[in-house]
Amino acid sequence: GESVGLHLPTLSVQEGDNSIINCAYSNSASDYFIWYKQESGKGPQFIIDIRSNMDKRQGQRVTVLLNKTVKHLSLQIAATQPGDSAVYFCAEILSGGSYIPTFGRGTSLIVHP
Amino acid sequence: EAGVTQFPSHSVIEKGQTVTLRCDPISGHDNLYWYRRVMGKEIKFLLHFVKESKQDESGMPNNRFLAERTGGTYSTLKVQPAELEDSGVYFCASSQRINSYNEQFFGPGTRLTVL
Repeated sequence: GESVGLHLPTLSVQEGDNSIINCAYSNSASDYFIWYKQESGKGPQFIIDIRSNMDKRQGQRVTVLLNKTVKHLSLQIAATQPGDSAVYFCAEILSGGSYIPTFGRGTSLIVHP
Repeated sequence: EAGVTQFPSHSVIEKGQTVTLRCDPISGHDNLYWYRRVMGKEIKFLLHFVKESKQDESGMPNNRFLAERTGGTYSTLKVQPAELEDSGVYFCASSQRINSYNEQFFGPGTRLTVL
């Protein structure tokens, strides 16, 4: 079946740098996307979402970009901090369906002080 | 407000044994979900309860897995008999509304290791 995938399993950055985590999705019918952050010993935590009728959405230090033409999603973290170290998952949802998110494999972000 | 809790946090069992995982959702959340993440792979949906009823169990891998939610409160997921490929982290999540995907709160997970 179709699934969400990630380009890079591990990303290492220096504190203060900007981080970009990428995600490719294959279900063109998906119309809602979520980024989750999973810290060690905890479950996934919602960070930011975006609907398919948008191409950019900003939060606090985070920006999600959606390119429907190439089915690509990215999460940008500005001024990355050690507390941002975690595994990041993208997920796609077909809102006219079961509302169950389909997750990607995850990218481990390591922030060096 | 207490979040989603799961018990145990870790379980190590031998192949062929039985394990039961428990999830306590956020109070008042009718929707309860089970997911599993096998090491290094994506988080996969297992099933979805609405109160005590199974709304969607399309992700359950086989009949060795049995999920229950008697009374519509906490849920259990039993694996019997466990196989090596069942190892992974089992997450539970709950939400108040069925389509509140940005309000689906996850528990810390149970790490299951089958030897």
